[in-house]
Amino acid sequence: EVQLVQSGAEVKKPGESLKISCKGSGYTFSSSWIAWVRQMPGKGLEWMGIIYPGDSDTRYSPSFQGQVTISADKSISTAYLQWSSLKASDTAMYYCARGGNSPDYWGQGTLVTVSS
Amino acid sequence: EVVMTQSPLSLPVTLGQPASISCRSSQSLVYSDGNTYLNWFQQRPGQSPRRLIYKVSNRYPGVPDRFSGSGSGTDFTLKISRVEAEDVGVYYCMQGTHWPRTFGQGTKVEIK
Repeated sequence: EVQLVQSGAEVKKPGESLKISCKGSGYTFSSSWIAWVRQMPGKGLEWMGIIYPGDSDTRYSPSFQGQVTISADKSISTAYLQWSSLKASDTAMYYCARGGNSPDYWGQGTLVTVSS
Repeated sequence: EVVMTQSPLSLPVTLGQPASISCRSSQSLVYSDGNTYLNWFQQRPGQSPRRLIYKVSNRYPGVPDRFSGSGSGTDFTLKISRVEAEDVGVYYCMQGTHWPRTFGQGTKVEIK
């Protein structure tokens, strides 16, 4: 069974760094793209970027380029989304999803709250 | 970036009645491999998005056959033949043809 399991909720202060994770199982992790999607409170889905764990090919939406870093460690079937300096406006639910053209399996989401 | 425009944004429906959601893209979604990567997702309250339809009209396993997708080029539609209570939620279209991938704004389906 394909599963994407994300790390737990985080509460951070503005300016702090953060790295959240998405662990895949039940399929060949290195052979499928993993995308990250943001959902701000009460809002819609926003596609942030994507990585192909097999060769670390990474693409970003212009809205998120330079704001976050997407990475992956195929040896432990895990993808990451990280911030070097969080802002209050980064408060959101973050989802990972498998697939480049047609995301099929989604993680349960990681709630990130940034507040002083 | 390709803009995906859904309508309506809110859709009150009577149980057992049909519902239809439109999704239009600012560019053709036909990819160089001949496929059209237009997807539909359902997000029930408090849940992760759930896959419904891929490549315009293909239902994923486990998706009820009351859901159907159609369209081509830049104009797509998701139809629910008879709305049930469990269909309440927000529906998103998403294009998987062009970088960056983009979602529509979402259509909230509620029961009248």
